[in-house]
Amino acid sequence: SQQGEEDPQALSIQEGENATMNCSYKTSINNLQWYRQNSGRGLVHLILIRSNEREKHSGRLRVTLDTSKKSSSLLITASRAADTASYFCATDYSGTYKYIFGTGTRLKVLA
Amino acid sequence: GAVVSQHPSRVICKSGTSVKIECRSLDFQATTMFWYRQFPKQSLMLMATSNEGSKATYEQGVEKDKFLINHASLTLSTLTVTSAHPEDSSFYICSAPDRNTEAFFGQGTRLTVV
Repeated sequence: SQQGEEDPQALSIQEGENATMNCSYKTSINNLQWYRQNSGRGLVHLILIRSNEREKHSGRLRVTLDTSKKSSSLLITASRAADTASYFCATDYSGTYKYIFGTGTRLKVLA
Repeated sequence: GAVVSQHPSRVICKSGTSVKIECRSLDFQATTMFWYRQFPKQSLMLMATSNEGSKATYEQGVEKDKFLINHASLTLSTLTVTSAHPEDSSFYICSAPDRNTEAFFGQGTRLTVV
């Protein structure tokens, strides 16, 4: 299976703290995306990072990509209770936007 | 930005019946769309690639006779779950790539088979 692994599987932090989630994948990618999913809901796109990029920012989110290690990380700074959700990385190996999702990290931010 | 609309958002059906889920790209054309399935507390698993004007490509382990995919136009793909059973209850979600940018996901369909 090409499914990526994410760690931790679950993370519980206090509001205001930073949350870091990691994603490892198996073969070379074209691009990688991070998504958020609230319980029982659809996906919310967070950030797309391409294979020739190393870091991207969007508001309180920072994504890094290390293609030599086949890994990516998502950092959420100054977390809020509303950030409580599951976070998934999704990798595109072929450049066709056919994504393989990682196992996900369940984040709980305590108020 | 590009939008993908999925319908219905929720459906309950009786065991043995068939259910059709639609995925539409609203402001762009998509020759390819993707269908995913997500069981509770699990990740999304790719089921199949829907190809406009040709047969769908199914991932290993997905029954093509059970999950019928039709991509009749450049803006519409449908997934029909045939003879649904309780174990087919899941969250189904589609995506469509806008070739110039990225893939956009529908809102998802929660199927409950009773």
